[in-house]
Amino acid sequence: AQTVTQSQPEMSVQEAETVTLSCTYDTSESDYYLFWYKQPPSRQMILVIRQEAYKQQNATENRFSVNFQKAAKSFSLKISDSQLGDAAMYFCAYRSARTGANSKLTFGKGITLSVRP
Amino acid sequence: DSGVTQTPKHLITATGQRVTLRCSPRSGDLSVYWYQQSLDQGLQFLIQYYNGEERAKGNILERFSAQQFPDLHSELNLSSLELGDSALYFCASSTGDLVGETQYFGPGTRLLVL
Repeated sequence: AQTVTQSQPEMSVQEAETVTLSCTYDTSESDYYLFWYKQPPSRQMILVIRQEAYKQQNATENRFSVNFQKAAKSFSLKISDSQLGDAAMYFCAYRSARTGANSKLTFGKGITLSVRP
Repeated sequence: DSGVTQTPKHLITATGQRVTLRCSPRSGDLSVYWYQQSLDQGLQFLIQYYNGEERAKGNILERFSAQQFPDLHSELNLSSLELGDSALYFCASSTGDLVGETQYFGPGTRLLVL
């Protein structure tokens, strides 16, 4: 079974600075997808970014980028120019890409990010 | 706004009772997923339906059941409720059932069992 680990329960960043949120995962599969979801105080789950394991290039979405290290099974999220609206809980998630596999997302425990003005 | 709607937003009930949570997927989406978010268990997959049929099951209790109707909305039924069932229940949807599809989440239903 796949597992996702987010070992840092909380992080803090100064507004306009850069912060990196860590995530590691364990799987025996070679093809999968990784996601970062944001959960603000409204509790809505918002997709931030996704990465296909077969792609070597790291995904980027505006101020959000990932550092995907497949061999190390590491998938960190970098937030540049942090804004007050980035304050939220962030979840790392895994999904198998194996044909016939369960389409479920497996989530980490999440990390609470606070942004200092 | 993801396009996925869930009702009700909040639900307060007593132990032993039964409740029904409703989800309407994004227009055109055939797959619906249910997740439970609790303090002790985190976010867990419960069940998936695709075009009216159960497709996958996760850590769903026998007291819980779900279905997807011909109009593609889905309902999650929770019965014989216990204090530990208090949680945020999310519905997510995706276009089909392909591995590359992104799941879009609704706003959730917050259930409090007293």
